[in-house]
Amino acid sequence: DQQVKQNSPSLSVQEGRISILNCDYTNSMFDYFLWYKKYPAEGPTFLISISSIKDKNEDGRFTVFLNKSAKHLSLHIVPSQPGDSAVYFCAASLGIQGAQKLVFGQGTRLTINP
Amino acid sequence: KAGVTQTPRYLIKTRGQQVTLSCSPISGHRSVSWYQQTPGQGLQFLFEYFSETQRNKGNFPGRFSGRQFSNSRSEMNVSTLELGDSALYLCASSLASGAGNEQFFGPGTRLTVL
Repeated sequence: DQQVKQNSPSLSVQEGRISILNCDYTNSMFDYFLWYKKYPAEGPTFLISISSIKDKNEDGRFTVFLNKSAKHLSLHIVPSQPGDSAVYFCAASLGIQGAQKLVFGQGTRLTINP
Repeated sequence: KAGVTQTPRYLIKTRGQQVTLSCSPISGHRSVSWYQQTPGQGLQFLFEYFSETQRNKGNFPGRFSGRQFSNSRSEMNVSTLELGDSALYLCASSLASGAGNEQFFGPGTRLTVL
């Protein structure tokens, strides 16, 4: 039962253009959503998050949009840079009795072409 | 501030053996979570520890266990190893437990079971 899905295993974008990474979820109890970036041989690095009570959060070149009715979130990177090439994971947080459990998607490999 | 450290970085074991992985969280962080990353399943939550207590557990068999010490360092143990246990095991720490607490990941331990 994959509660968080990233349907595109890979995405290729030209440098300077917009990269849009998508994520769908099924559990309406998720209360927080996060995006992580992962380079080979390193652990995931937190990028940006959004609370379930908001529909947009922006941090520099990164913007996350949340559409609760569609159970869909997306990460926009503008403009895309070569250093953005990495695997991006969408994660949803489920708070259970004060504890936190992150449910991850399977990742999207983003390649920025010069 | 030092990041999350995991030891060892690489490990090769044979079926039936047991293994112990170690995680040292960021100084001051009291919550430690463990994840398993495999190519087919992505990142899957194993368990979370906070103040030496297991707060949350994922859907893994009892062969997977963990503990947390009073200095917040954590260990996870896998007994009777199976080929399917080959994976990257990631540890993440956060200041506290609960939704919205940003998790910082270590580089992972790559376990290969032969």
